[in-house]
Amino acid sequence: AQSVAQPEDQVNVAEGNPLTVKCTYSVSGNPYLFWYVQYPNRGLQFLLKYITGDNLVKGSYGFEAEFNKSQTSFHLKKPSALVSDSALYFCAVRDILYQLIWGAGTKLIIKP
Amino acid sequence: DTAVSQTPKYLVTQMGNDKSIKCEQNLGHDTMYWYKQDSKKFLKIMFSYNNKELIINETVPNRFSPKSPDKAHLNLHINSLELGDSAVYFCASSRDGNEQFFGPGTRLTVL
Repeated sequence: AQSVAQPEDQVNVAEGNPLTVKCTYSVSGNPYLFWYVQYPNRGLQFLLKYITGDNLVKGSYGFEAEFNKSQTSFHLKKPSALVSDSALYFCAVRDILYQLIWGAGTKLIIKP
Repeated sequence: DTAVSQTPKYLVTQMGNDKSIKCEQNLGHDTMYWYKQDSKKFLKIMFSYNNKELIINETVPNRFSPKSPDKAHLNLHINSLELGDSAVYFCASSRDGNEQFFGPGTRLTVL
């Protein structure tokens, strides 16, 4: 069965420090992977995606994600966190029907 | 120019009523979706629809029905509302299975 796991409900990081939000997946065939961010009382915003090519994908707001096929992971990263990065982050993988299978979300809190 | 818009933003209604939520996208996308986000922020796909096929999540009660008057619109009709229907409903759209663009959400409260 296809699935996405975000093992951390919450991640706390000090402003200026690097951040990582973890995601692992299980899917048949080549994965199409996505990261989205949701700010309070807002819709989800697309951050970045991996379809093929370089394992390091760059996205919006200085975020990047590293695809690791052997570990079936797609962790979201940023070299230097901002307080404004505090939000809910979702990882997703596309299934064969072109629908997205979503992780449960990780709340990222950046402390000044 | 709002890419994906939904109306209303808030909807408060009594149990047993019938209500609709409208969604429009001006991105020229070929597929539209409806999601339900519960109080724990879990996202659940309810429907996906393009001009060829409607895919229904089998766990969605048949009180929920999508209606698409044209490619730019996908409305959600809910009959006989129940307390458990209270949630935030998001519309989204995409092209060729690529990234989805989301609307701002409709917060439905059933009393």
